[in-house]
Amino acid sequence: DSGVTQTPKHLITATGQRVTLRCSPRSGDLSVYWYQQSLDQGLQFLIQYYNGEERAKGNILERFSAQQFPDLHSELNLSSLELGDSALYFCASSARDSFTEAFFGQGTRLTVV
Amino acid sequence: AQTVTQSQPEMSVQEAETVTLSCTYDTSESDYYLFWYKQPPSRQMILVIRQEAYKQQNATENRFSVNFQKAAKSFSLKISDSQLGDAAMYFCAYRSALGSGSEKLVFGKGTKLTVNP
Repeated sequence: DSGVTQTPKHLITATGQRVTLRCSPRSGDLSVYWYQQSLDQGLQFLIQYYNGEERAKGNILERFSAQQFPDLHSELNLSSLELGDSALYFCASSARDSFTEAFFGQGTRLTVV
Repeated sequence: AQTVTQSQPEMSVQEAETVTLSCTYDTSESDYYLFWYKQPPSRQMILVIRQEAYKQQNATENRFSVNFQKAAKSFSLKISDSQLGDAAMYFCAYRSALGSGSEKLVFGKGTKLTVNP
């Protein structure tokens, strides 16, 4: 158990809909990262939050947004969903020191039909 | 931007044998970290081993060891005495050092390892 909790584990929704993925980081970790894993694109970094502030942005679509709340949990919002958004979405957390690896949650499998 | 390349989409090994997975990366940074993650069918991403770029000594974790060649930008993973439970996708990942702007991981495409009994 990595200590990072993601909900839900599975999500099936229709095109055009909006979903919210939730992540609770390990206790004490201030950084939260979101990654998307798909067959064609592999593991892609989407966005990072540190202590409530956006720290870095990767290949995140404008239809996607995220935030980190005062209790450090994070949510990834995906809207106007398309078939191509079907993927495994991972959340990871880390402490911000020089050599701490990121711990991953079990992922949310999103299927857009 | 940094890139990570894993040139072996699939590898297989006999149980109890040794296998080496390859990884190369491209960066202009001098300080960074490298990781190998394992993703079994359960899809959980599990850290296998990590290496600090400023350390010349290769990291070792039980049956797992790396061959880190900084000048060649190469970071291979050796699995000794392979076990059935080692079967998984293995991802090589790069992370910039603190102060670079982000501690995001840049992943390779992965190598699927099959362990034959």
